Amino acid sequence: DAGITQSPRYKITETGRQVTLMCHQTWSHSYMFWYRQDLGHGLRLIYYSAAADITDKGEVSDGYVVSRSKTENFPLTLESATRSQTSVYFCASRPGQGADSEAFFGQGTRLTVV
Amino acid sequence: DAKTTQPTSMDCAEGRAANLPCNHSTISGNEYVYWYRQIHSQGPQYIIHGLKNNETNEMASLIITEDRKSSTLILPHATLRDTAVYYCIVRVASNQGGKLIFGQGTELSVKP
Repeated sequence: DAGITQSPRYKITETGRQVTLMCHQTWSHSYMFWYRQDLGHGLRLIYYSAAADITDKGEVSDGYVVSRSKTENFPLTLESATRSQTSVYFCASRPGQGADSEAFFGQGTRLTVV
Repeated sequence: DAKTTQPTSMDCAEGRAANLPCNHSTISGNEYVYWYRQIHSQGPQYIIHGLKNNETNEMASLIITEDRKSSTLILPHATLRDTAVYYCIVRVASNQGGKLIFGQGTELSVKP
């Protein structure tokens, strides 16, 4: 199916464990983004990527690692999960060409760290 | 990317127009104004964007002031399904980079 998909949709993990959230898009969009949204707050940018093998930090990147070996995938890894990383995580993508283009968001991954 | 200021919350009666303001007084000449909305627990959804001119699509209208320091998103006939958080974002053109930085947004409640 065309679109942007995140997996898993829900995840519970223990403090100190490594966990990876997956994001896959079928449009071959150049840009991909990871955001987190805490209860009652707006979205904060964690990492973004302009193309395969090009990534850059966002507003709240500490404790997170990303990779982009293929254009369509942009996994987000929490190296050692902490309770403060309990949040809803959204992945997004958009084309890089053209003067203006909209971003498309996944449905989110709800992560709970216990 | 320029920062934006929006009211925290607004109410609107069903069937009436919802006018959501946004201030972006530090916007640069190459920055676009984008609007997204987020319905509870879902991923944000694109609504509309513009550079200088007013824009209209099937979802909404965007009115940008002549000095580009503020804009208004208009939902012409709000329905209960339009209840959501609306985000106003300014950023450079896609081919110049332009990561999306979200503010707090306006929580719009459409009431029967």
